[in-house]
Amino acid sequence: EAQVTQNPRYLITVTGKKLTVTCSQNMNHEYMSWYRQDPGLGLRQIYYSMNVEVTDKGDVPEGYKVSRKEKRNFPLILESPSPNQTSLYFCASSPGTRQETQYFGPGTRLLVL
Amino acid sequence: AQKITQTQPGMFVQEKEAVTLDCTYDTSDQSYGLFWYKQPSSGEMIFLIYQGSYDEQNATEGRYSLNFQKARKSANLVISASQLGDSAMYFCAMTRKGRDDKIIFGKGTRLHILP
Repeated sequence: EAQVTQNPRYLITVTGKKLTVTCSQNMNHEYMSWYRQDPGLGLRQIYYSMNVEVTDKGDVPEGYKVSRKEKRNFPLILESPSPNQTSLYFCASSPGTRQETQYFGPGTRLLVL
Repeated sequence: AQKITQTQPGMFVQEKEAVTLDCTYDTSDQSYGLFWYKQPSSGEMIFLIYQGSYDEQNATEGRYSLNFQKARKSANLVISASQLGDSAMYFCAMTRKGRDDKIIFGKGTRLHILP
């Protein structure tokens, strides 16, 4: 089944404790992206990647890191999480440059205490 | 800077009526894409419809159509014959094709379909 998976789905952590949210897609998509969704703000793009070893900042990259060592994986790293990073995070992928047909993962709900 | 505006935070519509969700955008680019996503209460994001800036025809996908008015920079979503299952949050989004490939979303419109 074609899908984007994210793990974990729910995470409670404390300020400053490094964490990684994994994202994997099995559709051989080139474009992958991370978003955060906050009430009243819609979705905001954190980072995106057009291909392996190519990553670019979205609109809200501060406090996050990503890597794209393999085509299928695009982990999101929070080196020192803070409470303002409490949010719902989505990973998405799309084939080639057709960003319009993005396939979203199920979301990861993160609470930073 | 690019911007997407959805002016309707919430809407209530009677079942079987047509619905128009507004979306205006601001960009100086010539090549861009516009799309709509649906987010039901279960939380997943579902792609609905896409319109390229150079597409001459308005996009349609089943009951969904995109009313693209380039000069007015609007890309409204029209849902014909609404159903209870259409109750959800709807997001308009835009991408700058071939430039920096960023994608920006509007803040969303919550649609409630009344029986």
